[in-house]
Amino acid sequence: AQKVTQAQTEISVVEKEDVTLDCVYETRDTTYYLFWYKQPPSGELVFLIRRNSFDEQNEISGRYSWNFQKSTSSFNFTITASQVVDSAVYFCALSAGNYGQNFVFGPGTRLSVLP
Amino acid sequence: GAVVSQHPSWVICKSGTSVKIECRSLDFQATTMFWYRQFPKQSLMLMATSNEGSKATYEQGVEKDKFLINHASLTLSTLTVTSAHPEDSSFYICSARDQGRLEFNEQYFGPGTRLTVT
Repeated sequence: AQKVTQAQTEISVVEKEDVTLDCVYETRDTTYYLFWYKQPPSGELVFLIRRNSFDEQNEISGRYSWNFQKSTSSFNFTITASQVVDSAVYFCALSAGNYGQNFVFGPGTRLSVLP
Repeated sequence: GAVVSQHPSWVICKSGTSVKIECRSLDFQATTMFWYRQFPKQSLMLMATSNEGSKATYEQGVEKDKFLINHASLTLSTLTVTSAHPEDSSFYICSARDQGRLEFNEQYFGPGTRLTVT
């Protein structure tokens, strides 16, 4: 069975603070993909990143960075110098198996960045 | 590229009526589309997998007679909520897989349809 856990239900930070959103996953497949999505109040999911199980390199994109560690089954997301526009719900998701169809979403973390 | 549209973006209907939601892949072909439901402050839950030219596969606990899915072409899937009740009020999101990129396990998500049943 596949499962994604995001232990932080809600986080509040003050603008310009750094914040890390945790994601822990479970799967028995050796091939899998991990995703992060942002869902602003409008509701539309915004794709942030896809990472496959064979690529453990950390990635940085502007103020966003991701730390993938297979040893702890974690794929954490850090926002540096947070901004009010970063306020949203963030979902971590897992798609396992070759050509895997099913997406399993975590429960989401609601991030509020206060001015 | 890889744009998925949904129509309508929001709909209000009376209890007992039916409402149809369309999901279209605009610039790619999708033999497989997915329908999710998201209640307020909750995560996305997969309702069903829509397969072009064949019957949809429903997740456990989802009533197939209530949520009718039709995937008649490679770019269009429809979800019809029949005899809607207030408890069906939710945010419905569709997604589609690009037939040319199956190996990346990606799904492209539509903007969602907010259904309110009065």
